[in-house]
Amino acid sequence: GAVVSQHPSWVICKSGTSVKIECRSLDFQATTMFWYRQFPKQSLMLMATSNEGSKATYEQGVEKDKFLINHASLTLSTLTVTSAHPEDSSFYICSARVRAGGIITDTQYFGPGTRLTVL
Amino acid sequence: GESVGLHLPTLSVQEGDNSIINCAYSNSASDYFIWYKQESGKGPQFIIDIRSNMDKRQGQRVTVLLNKTVKHLSLQIAATQPGDSAVYFCAENPNRGSTLGRLYFGRGTQLTVWP
Repeated sequence: GAVVSQHPSWVICKSGTSVKIECRSLDFQATTMFWYRQFPKQSLMLMATSNEGSKATYEQGVEKDKFLINHASLTLSTLTVTSAHPEDSSFYICSARVRAGGIITDTQYFGPGTRLTVL
Repeated sequence: GESVGLHLPTLSVQEGDNSIINCAYSNSASDYFIWYKQESGKGPQFIIDIRSNMDKRQGQRVTVLLNKTVKHLSLQIAATQPGDSAVYFCAENPNRGSTLGRLYFGRGTQLTVWP
């Protein structure tokens, strides 16, 4: 259990285009999902917290108009990188807190990540 | 910013030996900790967790030790195998019970297992 999927696993796009990344919880409900980005040989940096049915909470320094987050259901959150530029190239990873029996646990399970390359 | 750090960025061990990966945290209010394993090009994989009301927790070939006095966390891997080669991250949750439940990650330790 507690499987999180991401789609696509990798994407290459031209500068100026927008890219949407999906994060799904496959066998559990996730009222809260998190989006991270990771540069090579570095740790995970939290970008935003995505709450089902409400606006996302962004970390300081993360542009909410550039990284649009939508959490429309208990199993799906999307991250859209708008007007992508080469500096947005990174590894984007989502995670979800498991909700079981009405209780939201502290444990986060991660998706496999999406490699974004902007040319 | 990050409140969790790691003592060693790299660790090399021989196959069959035990591995110990260390982590220091600075937030004394943190009461939940997780170790993750990340292989190249993949997302972090949950290994084991521990709450602050415990000093030790064991899993399959892994043990996590928590020393709240010195704010130190360690992950012990018994009989290390080549498949254990990866980057290991510790993470802390200083906001237990909050609606956000953020995790703060350390820098990571690259474990390399050689035959």
